[in-house]
Amino acid sequence: AQSVTQPDIHITVSEGASLELRCNYSYGATPYLFWYVQSPGQGLQLLLKYFSGDTLVQGIKGFEAEFKRSQSSFNLRKPSVHWSDAAEYFCAVVFSSGSARQLTFGSGTQLTVLP
Amino acid sequence: GAGVSQSPSNKVTEKGKDVELRCDPISGHTALYWYRQSLGQGLEFLIYFQGNSAPDKSGLPSDRFSAERTGGSVSTLTIQRTQQEDSAVYLCASSLLGSGEQFFGPGTRLTVL
Repeated sequence: AQSVTQPDIHITVSEGASLELRCNYSYGATPYLFWYVQSPGQGLQLLLKYFSGDTLVQGIKGFEAEFKRSQSSFNLRKPSVHWSDAAEYFCAVVFSSGSARQLTFGSGTQLTVLP
Repeated sequence: GAGVSQSPSNKVTEKGKDVELRCDPISGHTALYWYRQSLGQGLEFLIYFQGNSAPDKSGLPSDRFSAERTGGSVSTLTIQRTQQEDSAVYLCASSLLGSGEQFFGPGTRLTVL
Protein backbone atom coordinates (compact mmCIF):
# COMPACT_ATOMS: atom_id res chain seq x y z
CA ALA A 1 0.00 0.00 0.00
CA GLN A 2 1.14 3.54 -0.67
CA SER A 3 1.97 5.45 2.48
CA VAL A 4 4.03 8.27 3.93
CA THR A 5 5.57 8.04 7.37
CA GLN A 6 7.02 10.74 9.56
CA PRO A 7 8.32 8.79 12.54
CA ASP A 8 8.88 11.78 14.80
CA ILE A 9 5.75 13.42 16.15
CA HIS A 10 7.62 16.10 18.06
CA ILE A 11 11.25 17.28 17.92
CA THR A 12 12.89 19.85 20.17
CA VAL A 13 16.17 21.53 19.25
CA SER A 14 18.11 24.48 20.55
CA GLU A 15 18.46 27.56 18.41
CA GLY A 16 21.58 27.27 16.29
CA ALA A 17 21.59 23.48 16.38
CA SER A 18 21.23 21.36 13.27
CA LEU A 19 17.95 19.71 12.35
CA GLU A 20 16.91 16.60 10.50
CA LEU A 21 13.28 15.60 10.03
CA ARG A 22 12.62 12.13 8.70
CA CYS A 23 10.24 11.04 5.99
CA ASN A 24 9.79 7.60 4.49
CA TYR A 25 7.37 6.41 1.84
CA SER A 26 6.12 3.12 0.54
CA TYR A 27 5.67 2.95 -3.23
CA GLY A 28 6.85 0.84 -6.12
CA ALA A 29 8.28 3.71 -8.10
CA THR A 30 9.78 7.12 -7.45
CA PRO A 31 7.07 9.55 -6.45
CA TYR A 32 7.07 13.30 -6.43
CA LEU A 33 8.24 14.45 -2.99
CA PHE A 34 7.54 17.63 -1.07
CA TRP A 35 8.10 19.27 2.28
CA TYR A 36 5.59 21.82 3.55
CA VAL A 37 5.68 23.96 6.67
CA GLN A 38 2.64 25.18 8.61
CA SER A 39 2.84 27.89 11.23
CA PRO A 40 0.00 28.21 13.75
CA GLY A 41 -3.19 29.39 12.09
CA GLN A 42 -1.53 29.50 8.70
CA GLY A 43 -1.85 27.51 5.50
CA LEU A 44 0.80 25.25 4.08
CA GLN A 45 3.94 26.76 2.57
CA LEU A 46 6.10 24.74 0.22
CA LEU A 47 9.70 24.45 1.38
CA LEU A 48 11.09 22.31 -1.41
CA LYS A 49 10.26 19.58 -3.89
CA TYR A 50 11.86 16.68 -5.71
CA PHE A 51 10.68 15.36 -9.04
CA SER A 52 13.83 13.92 -10.59
CA GLY A 53 17.53 14.62 -11.12
CA ASP A 54 19.91 15.76 -8.42
CA THR A 55 18.92 14.00 -5.23
CA LEU A 56 19.94 16.90 -2.98
CA VAL A 57 17.46 19.73 -3.33
CA GLN A 58 17.64 23.19 -1.89
CA GLY A 59 14.61 25.03 -0.66
CA ILE A 60 13.59 28.25 0.94
CA LYS A 61 14.60 29.44 4.41
CA GLY A 62 17.89 27.54 4.27
CA PHE A 63 16.31 24.07 4.16
CA GLU A 64 17.52 21.18 2.04
CA ALA A 65 16.39 17.61 1.56
CA GLU A 66 18.00 14.49 0.19
CA PHE A 67 16.18 11.79 -1.74
CA LYS A 68 17.57 8.31 -1.07
CA ARG A 69 15.96 5.76 -3.34
CA SER A 70 17.50 2.79 -1.53
CA GLN A 71 15.94 3.91 1.74
CA SER A 72 12.70 5.31 0.29
CA SER A 73 13.45 8.44 2.26
CA PHE A 74 13.32 12.17 1.78
CA ASN A 75 14.72 13.74 4.94
CA LEU A 76 14.64 17.46 5.56
CA ARG A 77 17.70 19.20 7.01
CA LYS A 78 18.83 22.58 8.17
CA PRO A 79 22.34 23.29 9.46
CA SER A 80 21.35 25.95 11.99
CA VAL A 81 17.83 26.37 13.27
CA HIS A 82 16.31 29.76 14.02
CA TRP A 83 13.55 30.42 16.54
CA SER A 84 11.25 31.34 13.66
CA ASP A 85 11.52 27.78 12.32
CA ALA A 86 9.23 26.55 15.09
CA ALA A 87 6.23 25.14 13.24
CA GLU A 88 4.76 21.89 12.01
CA TYR A 89 6.42 20.21 9.07
CA PHE A 90 4.70 17.88 6.65
CA CYS A 91 6.23 15.52 4.16
CA ALA A 92 3.94 14.97 1.19
CA VAL A 93 4.03 12.64 -1.77
CA VAL A 94 2.32 12.40 -5.13
CA PHE A 95 2.08 8.71 -5.93
CA SER A 96 -0.02 8.76 -9.04
CA SER A 97 1.33 9.49 -12.47
CA GLY A 98 -2.19 10.27 -13.60
CA SER A 99 -3.71 13.69 -13.94
CA ALA A 100 -5.04 14.01 -10.39
CA ARG A 101 -1.72 14.09 -8.57
CA GLN A 102 -3.25 14.61 -5.18
CA LEU A 103 -0.91 14.88 -2.23
CA THR A 104 -0.66 12.20 0.42
CA PHE A 105 0.66 13.70 3.63
CA GLY A 106 2.60 12.30 6.51
CA SER A 107 1.26 12.89 9.99
CA GLY A 108 3.55 15.84 10.56
CA THR A 109 6.43 16.68 12.88
CA GLN A 110 6.02 19.49 15.37
CA LEU A 111 9.27 21.42 15.82
CA THR A 112 10.00 23.32 19.02
CA VAL A 113 13.02 25.60 19.14
CA LEU A 114 14.57 26.40 22.52
CA PRO A 115 16.32 29.75 23.02
CA GLY B 1 -5.10 37.86 -6.51
CA ALA B 2 -1.59 36.64 -5.99
CA GLY B 3 -2.46 33.51 -4.05
CA VAL B 4 -5.23 31.10 -3.28
CA SER B 5 -7.97 32.68 -1.20
CA GLN B 6 -10.63 30.98 0.87
CA SER B 7 -13.73 32.23 2.60
CA PRO B 8 -14.89 32.39 5.24
CA SER B 9 -11.77 32.05 7.35
CA ASN B 10 -13.86 30.74 10.23
CA LYS B 11 -17.30 29.20 10.28
CA VAL B 12 -19.27 28.12 13.31
CA THR B 13 -22.45 26.22 12.66
CA GLU B 14 -24.94 24.06 14.45
CA LYS B 15 -25.21 20.37 13.90
CA GLY B 16 -27.57 19.59 11.06
CA LYS B 17 -27.07 22.85 9.19
CA ASP B 18 -25.59 23.09 5.69
CA VAL B 19 -22.41 25.06 5.04
CA GLU B 20 -20.65 26.31 1.93
CA LEU B 21 -16.94 26.92 1.76
CA ARG B 22 -15.41 28.90 -1.06
CA CYS B 23 -12.06 28.70 -2.80
CA ASP B 24 -10.65 31.16 -5.30
CA PRO B 25 -7.56 29.64 -6.96
CA ILE B 26 -4.59 31.34 -8.51
CA SER B 27 -5.52 32.76 -11.89
CA GLY B 28 -4.67 30.35 -14.68
CA HIS B 29 -4.44 27.28 -12.46
CA THR B 30 -6.61 24.62 -14.01
CA ALA B 31 -6.24 22.06 -11.24
CA LEU B 32 -7.95 22.61 -7.90
CA TYR B 33 -7.88 20.42 -4.79
CA TRP B 34 -9.73 20.28 -1.51
CA TYR B 35 -8.13 18.77 1.59
CA ARG B 36 -9.27 18.45 5.18
CA GLN B 37 -7.07 18.78 8.22
CA SER B 38 -8.38 17.38 11.47
CA LEU B 39 -6.83 16.28 14.73
CA GLY B 40 -7.80 12.69 14.33
CA GLN B 41 -7.17 12.18 10.63
CA GLY B 42 -4.37 14.58 9.78
CA LEU B 43 -4.33 16.01 6.27
CA GLU B 44 -6.52 14.09 3.85
CA PHE B 45 -7.45 14.56 0.23
CA LEU B 46 -11.11 15.20 -0.54
CA ILE B 47 -11.59 16.02 -4.20
CA TYR B 48 -9.80 17.18 -7.32
CA PHE B 49 -11.02 19.33 -10.19
CA GLN B 50 -9.55 19.60 -13.64
CA GLY B 51 -11.27 22.59 -15.13
CA ASN B 52 -14.91 22.27 -14.12
CA SER B 53 -14.98 18.51 -13.93
CA ALA B 54 -14.15 16.35 -10.95
CA PRO B 55 -12.69 13.08 -12.24
CA ASP B 56 -11.63 12.03 -8.75
CA LYS B 57 -14.19 12.22 -5.93
CA SER B 58 -12.73 9.28 -4.07
CA GLY B 59 -11.77 11.25 -1.00
CA LEU B 60 -15.18 12.64 -0.13
CA PRO B 61 -16.02 11.07 3.24
CA SER B 62 -19.77 10.77 2.72
CA ASP B 63 -22.59 11.75 0.39
CA ARG B 64 -23.19 14.80 2.57
CA PHE B 65 -20.12 16.31 0.94
CA SER B 66 -20.24 17.75 -2.54
CA ALA B 67 -18.23 20.25 -4.53
CA GLU B 68 -18.51 22.17 -7.71
CA ARG B 69 -16.37 24.45 -9.76
CA THR B 70 -17.68 26.99 -12.20
CA GLY B 71 -15.94 28.82 -15.01
CA GLY B 72 -12.79 26.86 -14.35
CA SER B 73 -12.13 29.12 -11.38
CA VAL B 74 -14.01 29.43 -8.10
CA SER B 75 -14.95 26.24 -6.27
CA THR B 76 -17.49 25.64 -3.54
CA LEU B 77 -17.39 22.76 -1.09
CA THR B 78 -20.80 22.07 0.43
CA ILE B 79 -21.41 20.00 3.52
CA GLN B 80 -25.03 19.11 4.16
CA ARG B 81 -26.48 18.22 7.56
CA THR B 82 -23.18 18.92 9.29
CA GLN B 83 -22.00 16.63 12.05
CA GLN B 84 -19.54 17.32 14.83
CA GLU B 85 -16.97 15.08 13.18
CA ASP B 86 -16.95 17.50 10.23
CA SER B 87 -15.17 20.05 12.41
CA ALA B 88 -11.79 20.61 10.77
CA VAL B 89 -9.78 23.03 8.71
CA TYR B 90 -10.66 22.78 5.04
CA LEU B 91 -7.78 23.65 2.75
CA CYS B 92 -7.90 24.45 -0.92
CA ALA B 93 -4.96 24.24 -3.28
CA SER B 94 -4.43 24.95 -6.96
CA SER B 95 -1.82 24.11 -9.52
CA LEU B 96 -0.98 24.34 -13.17
CA LEU B 97 -2.02 21.22 -15.05
CA GLY B 98 0.60 18.52 -14.65
CA SER B 99 2.97 20.66 -12.61
CA GLY B 100 2.70 18.58 -9.44
CA GLU B 101 3.27 21.67 -7.31
CA GLN B 102 0.24 22.83 -5.36
CA PHE B 103 -0.25 26.21 -3.75
CA PHE B 104 -2.43 26.30 -0.66
CA GLY B 105 -4.89 28.80 0.65
CA PRO B 106 -5.10 29.77 4.34
CA GLY B 107 -8.00 27.42 5.00
CA THR B 108 -11.46 27.64 6.49
CA ARG B 109 -11.81 26.51 10.09
CA LEU B 110 -15.20 24.84 10.48
CA THR B 111 -16.62 24.24 13.93
CA VAL B 112 -19.82 22.26 14.27
CA LEU B 113 -21.49 22.69 17.65
